[in-house]
Amino acid sequence: SAVISQKPSRDICQRGTSLTIQCQVDSQVTMMFWYRQQPGQSLTLIATANQGSEATYESGFVIDKFPISRPNLTFSTLTVSNMSPEDSSIYLCSARTGGDTGELFFGEGSRLTVL
Amino acid sequence: GQNIDQPTEMTATEGAIVQINCTYQTSGFNGLFWYQQHAGEAPTFLSYNVLDGLEEKGRFSSFLSRSKGYSYLLLKELQMKDSASYLCAVMDSNYQLIWGAGTKLIIKP
Repeated sequence: SAVISQKPSRDICQRGTSLTIQCQVDSQVTMMFWYRQQPGQSLTLIATANQGSEATYESGFVIDKFPISRPNLTFSTLTVSNMSPEDSSIYLCSARTGGDTGELFFGEGSRLTVL
Repeated sequence: GQNIDQPTEMTATEGAIVQINCTYQTSGFNGLFWYQQHAGEAPTFLSYNVLDGLEEKGRFSSFLSRSKGYSYLLLKELQMKDSASYLCAVMDSNYQLIWGAGTKLIIKP
């Protein structure tokens, strides 16, 4: 299993600013992911955070808007850049243990409100 | 395209049984997951099915038919704490998870 800590848990941000969300896993994991969940909707994968190389982004998400770092096997950050009200959402960090089909564990999420 | 369908909302009575269905069309199949998500919280893992049949885990069971592209989550002896959203997710041939929109389950006394 894996315990994932995210911070901040919530924040209110001004339009045009940027915010970095941190994700810490209590054990080394090969796969880490960042998801977005808008109110009342399911999870949308933003990107896979790759250790030691650039993140792999899903269609509709770009590095300039959502830069991601992953300096080691237990930590990752997601930055939401130049925020607009449309970025108001819950951002979830997740990690997979036990290979490609292993269980996905989630952090508590970071609820961002952009004014 | 890839698609996961599940009902938007269901209502059931405390102590009863409820079945939440999930149908899918994906590029390949490497298993189906069910997650529970309470309001304002992160999703938590409930079950994983990769072979046809029923997997039972306490009050919760999950069924899979790969030929029909169909799964269900069965919750027995419902408790008020079971009020949550239930997310169906299928892992495709690239080991990517395709998520359903979730089923909001409302339990009434």
